[in-house]
Amino acid sequence: QQQVKQSPQSLIVQKGGISIINCAYENTAFDYFPWYQQFPGKGPALLIAIRPDVSEKKEGRFTISFNKSAKQFSLHIMDSQPGDSATYFCAARYYLRNNNDMRFGAGTRLTVKP
Amino acid sequence: NAGVTQTPKFQVLKTGQSMTLQCAQDMNHNSMYWYRQDPGMGLRLIYYSASEGTTDKGEVPNGYNVSRLNKREFSLRLESAAPSQTSVYFCASSENRGNEQFFGPGTRLTVL
Repeated sequence: QQQVKQSPQSLIVQKGGISIINCAYENTAFDYFPWYQQFPGKGPALLIAIRPDVSEKKEGRFTISFNKSAKQFSLHIMDSQPGDSATYFCAARYYLRNNNDMRFGAGTRLTVKP
Repeated sequence: NAGVTQTPKFQVLKTGQSMTLQCAQDMNHNSMYWYRQDPGMGLRLIYYSASEGTTDKGEVPNGYNVSRLNKREFSLRLESAAPSQTSVYFCASSENRGNEQFFGPGTRLTVL
């Protein structure tokens, strides 16, 4: 079963609106929570990431909110633009034998309408 | 810097055929990974390699083998392809204790 649950599966937002994608996890050994952005035909690329000792991280229009007690984190895209249309994956990482063992959510396809 | 490169970009196989997917990185990373991406499933780790000469199984290793040829190259082999292995395959690399994984452009594989 998926260790990181992501919702919604798809999201349509008007230009200028706020896009919100949510993720939940169970394993408290996770210590790093990135969000990846993927455009069609491309590999995922890191967008923004947070550690569990911080409740919020903001980079430009992108913000991660993190709730450690609820084991949930979310991505907020402010002033959404058509160029933000992509698939977004949340992920959670724990070290396993000196490796980044990353578990991904199922993805959210975001469409921003002009 | 090319980053992570993968070949081929597309491949069609018949059931039972074998093939090797190639991956190379020029970022001097120690760790490399193979993922498969399926609709509604996100990315799932097939195998990873912490360093040259070492490999370990991930979530979904059955039906695959890997070789860490040197620090730059990490290949994924399907010995006897099955339709269930139809997927998009991504290679990634990272520093040993680095946080970010860098992904290649992917190989779209169809098994008929």
